[in-house]
Amino acid sequence: SQQGEEDPQALSIQEGENATMNCSYKTSINNLQWYRQNSGRGLVHLILIRSNEREKHSGRLRVTLDTSKKSSSLLITASRAADTASYFCATDALTTSGTYKYIFGTGTRLKVLA
Amino acid sequence: GAVVSQHPSRVICKSGTSVKIECRSLDFQATTMFWYRQFPKQSLMLMATSNEGSKATYEQGVEKDKFLINHASLTLSTLTVTSAHPEDSSFYICSAKRRQGTYSNQPQHFGDGTRLSIL
Repeated sequence: SQQGEEDPQALSIQEGENATMNCSYKTSINNLQWYRQNSGRGLVHLILIRSNEREKHSGRLRVTLDTSKKSSSLLITASRAADTASYFCATDALTTSGTYKYIFGTGTRLKVLA
Repeated sequence: GAVVSQHPSRVICKSGTSVKIECRSLDFQATTMFWYRQFPKQSLMLMATSNEGSKATYEQGVEKDKFLINHASLTLSTLTVTSAHPEDSSFYICSAKRRQGTYSNQPQHFGDGTRLSIL
């Protein structure tokens, strides 16, 4: 399977703390994306990091990418109860038809306690 | 911008029924749409990639005749679960990518999913 893995599978923290989740993938990539999913809903795109980038910030989010280790991390600083959700990384893969598809990691379920 | 509408949000029907799910990009053109299936507390599993005007590309293990995909326009893709059975019960999610170049550096925009329950 091409599916990447994320750890931890579940994470429970107090409001105000930082949350770090990691993603490992198997194939070479052009970019890696992080998504958030609230329970029973679709996914919301958070951030995209290209393969030639090592770090990217967006508000309270910080993403790193280490292509030599085929891994990425997502850091959420000063977490809030509203950050409670599942977080997924996704990597691109070129298909035989020349288009790109996305392989999602196993996900991290984050719970932020108020 | 970049809104994807998925309809219906929930379907409950009897075994043997065929169910059609629609995925529309409301404010952009999408050359590529993706259909995913998600089991409780699990990740998204790609079922097929749908390109406008051509046949869908199915992932290994996904039955083409069971899950019919049509991408008739740049704003609409449909997934039809034919002769659905209880094991087809799941959360189905679509996503769309903007029609901007051919590179992969475009985020996917997701619908809110369809919860399908087959009795």
